[in-house]
Amino acid sequence: GAGVSQTPSNKVTEKGKYVELRCDPISGHTALYWYRQSLGQGPEFLIYFQGTGAADDSGLPNDRFFAVRPEGSVSTLKIQRTERGDSAVYLCASSLGTGETQYFGPGTRLLVL
Amino acid sequence: GEDVEQSLFLSVREGDSSVINCTYTDSSSTYLYWYKQEPGAGLQLLTYIFSNMDMKQDQRLTVLLNKKDKHLSLRIADTQTGDSAIYFCAERVAPGGYNKLIFGAGTRLAVHP
Repeated sequence: GAGVSQTPSNKVTEKGKYVELRCDPISGHTALYWYRQSLGQGPEFLIYFQGTGAADDSGLPNDRFFAVRPEGSVSTLKIQRTERGDSAVYLCASSLGTGETQYFGPGTRLLVL
Repeated sequence: GEDVEQSLFLSVREGDSSVINCTYTDSSSTYLYWYKQEPGAGLQLLTYIFSNMDMKQDQRLTVLLNKKDKHLSLRIADTQTGDSAIYFCAERVAPGGYNKLIFGAGTRLAVHP
């Protein structure tokens, strides 16, 4: 079946702009995670959804970052007033339930000029 | 605190075995994972081991876990050029009953003829 998909695959924006990154989890997976991977680093946890609610948003770096999952499936990560330091690959993962193995999407490469 | 450490680079000859090492700090970790990332791609789950196991073998892959020393290793037998990638070790931590992955910075494996 289809894996986790993310759109766009690449996004170039200017400092100060607003961006939205989309994640489509594997069908039937109730848990969804966002991670951020900076160049030369491993992924860092941002936020975790179980169903529609954000169960853990402790990894969001500041209040410019926000994520939603209104129907318990697709999720959108929103970044306001982007800064050059936000440039990274944003990875989404889903799992069948809490505690199950996480499967990752290909990521969205964000570049803030 | 939560921390995962890996050596950054490993070079092996084609046909030899590769051993990638990882240390972690959270003694409550229940599962430990190895993911593979090829250039420009997302994370591919290779294998995982439950914390009450010492060893797990899956075709060319062997995972060894020393829980006392919090040391994890991945051995790839008969390494091929297609194994060239970055390998990430990750521990699963469960604050409050849900789960997130803590990743190392990744080990870049280069396979040469």
